[in-house]
Amino acid sequence: DAKTTQPPSMDCAEGRAANLPCNHSTISGNEYVYWYRQIHSQGPQYIIHGLKNNETNEMASLIITEDRKSSTLILPHATLRDTAVYYCIVRDNYGQNFVFGPGTRLSVLP
Amino acid sequence: EADIYQTPRYLVIGTGKKITLECSQTMGHDKMYWYQQDPGMELHLIHYSYGVNSTEKGDLSSESTVSRIRTEHFPLTLESARPSHTSQYLCASSHPGMNTEAFFGQGTRLTVV
Repeated sequence: DAKTTQPPSMDCAEGRAANLPCNHSTISGNEYVYWYRQIHSQGPQYIIHGLKNNETNEMASLIITEDRKSSTLILPHATLRDTAVYYCIVRDNYGQNFVFGPGTRLSVLP
Repeated sequence: EADIYQTPRYLVIGTGKKITLECSQTMGHDKMYWYQQDPGMELHLIHYSYGVNSTEKGDLSSESTVSRIRTEHFPLTLESARPSHTSQYLCASSHPGMNTEAFFGQGTRLTVV
């Protein structure tokens, strides 16, 4: 089972920041938080990952709370092409696999 | 761009046929994965491999089988296709370890008629 909880859907106005929350209250000390997105039915695209520090790359920023029980993915200036399903994943310690939940369907509106 | 390739992209095949879905990566990744995804639904892990000669079953039971004879190649086989196998199959690969991302192929959309 996925170890994360996300809202099923969110809307965001084009040009505004999209803030996607994720709860992972059972995360262990050495487990990383990963974010992927899937546009239509294409293969999921890697966005960013982190352990406990905030991370930023050319696509997004990842803010992880100090207790590591939740995180937020920030798309600073959402465009229509960012409309997708966004998955927050905590890799399991046993097989180190990526277990996907239902994700958040983000709709960027013009 | 991730260097992981799946063929064919689309396949329509009759019931009872044997099929093999191909997945190849040129990144030298030891870990490879197969996921199954029905339309509008989440991805389910059906197989994974830690490296050559290693294959493991995933969280979702599947009638498919996999093999890993070469690092770069992780084919998935259905011995006798059925309409219930109609789905999208996604392959991925990564380096081992917890701090490494996985890269996905574009998927094979299989329809069994």
